[in-house]
Amino acid sequence: NAGVTQTPKFQVLKTGQSMTLQCAQDMNHEYMSWYRQDPGMGLRLIHYSVGAGITDQGEVPNGYNVSRSTTEDFPLRLLSAAPSQTSVYFCASKRSLRDGYTFGSGTRLTVV
Amino acid sequence: GEDVEQSLFLSVREGDSSVINCTYTDSSSTYLYWYKQEPGAGLQLLTYIFSNMDMKQDQRLTVLLNKKDKHLSLRIADTQTGDSAIYFCAERLGATNKLIFGTGTLLAVQP
Repeated sequence: NAGVTQTPKFQVLKTGQSMTLQCAQDMNHEYMSWYRQDPGMGLRLIHYSVGAGITDQGEVPNGYNVSRSTTEDFPLRLLSAAPSQTSVYFCASKRSLRDGYTFGSGTRLTVV
Repeated sequence: GEDVEQSLFLSVREGDSSVINCTYTDSSSTYLYWYKQEPGAGLQLLTYIFSNMDMKQDQRLTVLLNKKDKHLSLRIADTQTGDSAIYFCAERLGATNKLIFGTGTLLAVQP
């Protein structure tokens, strides 16, 4: 099993550009989430999904869209990048509500 | 609202025990988790405890939960240099999928 795979690992965007951060898991996990990590702020939940076709907003959803057309994939779309979206983004998945998350290795995004 | 607090930094000598503390505010928390993050990596789940338990032990790790004071701690016995990392506690709110993370504690292990 590859676990949770995130691509790309690094990305630089110009303000106003759009892009999609990819996340895939091969563990048949139902639950998937996107977090952003900023210095001194821990991890904050952006969007999450409890199964294919079902998504919901987390704490900081503005400026981001998600979809979950398959169990394996949970892409995160930045609609119009802003410098405030400079962060490290983590995708995570888990099998059941009780379980802890398995995290990907992250995407470091810089918006200039 | 929900809030999870941790001290920012802890320094210990190799071979000593480390105790990392966490306080949370939401009384509906059902599961509490400890994660470890090494530089440049994602978060690795270390252990978790259900809210009706007081203690859980897993090899060198001991988790203590004081539900009355909403206080969670992680004790690492015989701390090694490889334990140097940032440690996050997180609470799961009720029956939701939402995890609220603390800001992380940087553990530095001196040889």
